[in-house]
Amino acid sequence: AQKVTQAQTEISVVEKEDVTLDCVYETRDTTYYLFWYKQPPSGELVFLIRRNSFDEQNEISGRYSWNFQKSTSSFNFTITASQVVDSAVYFCALSEYNNNDMRFGAGTRLTVKP
Amino acid sequence: GAVVSQHPSWVICKSGTSVKIECRSLDFQATTMFWYRQFPKQSLMLMATSNEGSKATYEQGVEKDKFLINHASLTLSTLTVTSAHPEDSSFYICSATRLAAYEQYFGPGTRLTVT
Repeated sequence: AQKVTQAQTEISVVEKEDVTLDCVYETRDTTYYLFWYKQPPSGELVFLIRRNSFDEQNEISGRYSWNFQKSTSSFNFTITASQVVDSAVYFCALSEYNNNDMRFGAGTRLTVKP
Repeated sequence: GAVVSQHPSWVICKSGTSVKIECRSLDFQATTMFWYRQFPKQSLMLMATSNEGSKATYEQGVEKDKFLINHASLTLSTLTVTSAHPEDSSFYICSATRLAAYEQYFGPGTRLTVT
């Protein structure tokens, strides 16, 4: 069964600092999908990115970037020049091709202080 | 596109009563719907998976007689918490997928408080 580990439970940074959220996964499938979601205090999950296992290109979207490395089974997320509005819980998740189930990591609570 | 709604967004009920939560895909047909439960400061835990017209598949440890799931149409799934107790208080989130798609679209969640 698939497994997602987010070892950082809580991170606190000061505004404008860069911060990287780690995600390590385990799966026996060769085809799978990785996701990052943001969960603000309201509770609604906000989709950030989806990556399939055949696409190892790093992606940048504004202040967000993702580093996917199959060799280390990691899919890390970096926020550049963090802002107070980035404060939230961030979840990494994995879905296998042959199994629609999505497994979430424990989440990382990010606090950005002004 | 791919909007999922949940109703109600929050509900308070007394211990022993039953509560129904609806999950609707508004602009697509959902072949599969999922129900998650999230306790405070914890991650989302999958409770069950349901396909339209068939019985739901429950995760280990989830009582199927307590959490009744009905997926009667391609746009609606309901979760009924029967004989609710305070320990059932949680944030319940549904999601839906389209045929041959590998992304789940999440609803906004329902916060249940049992007093």
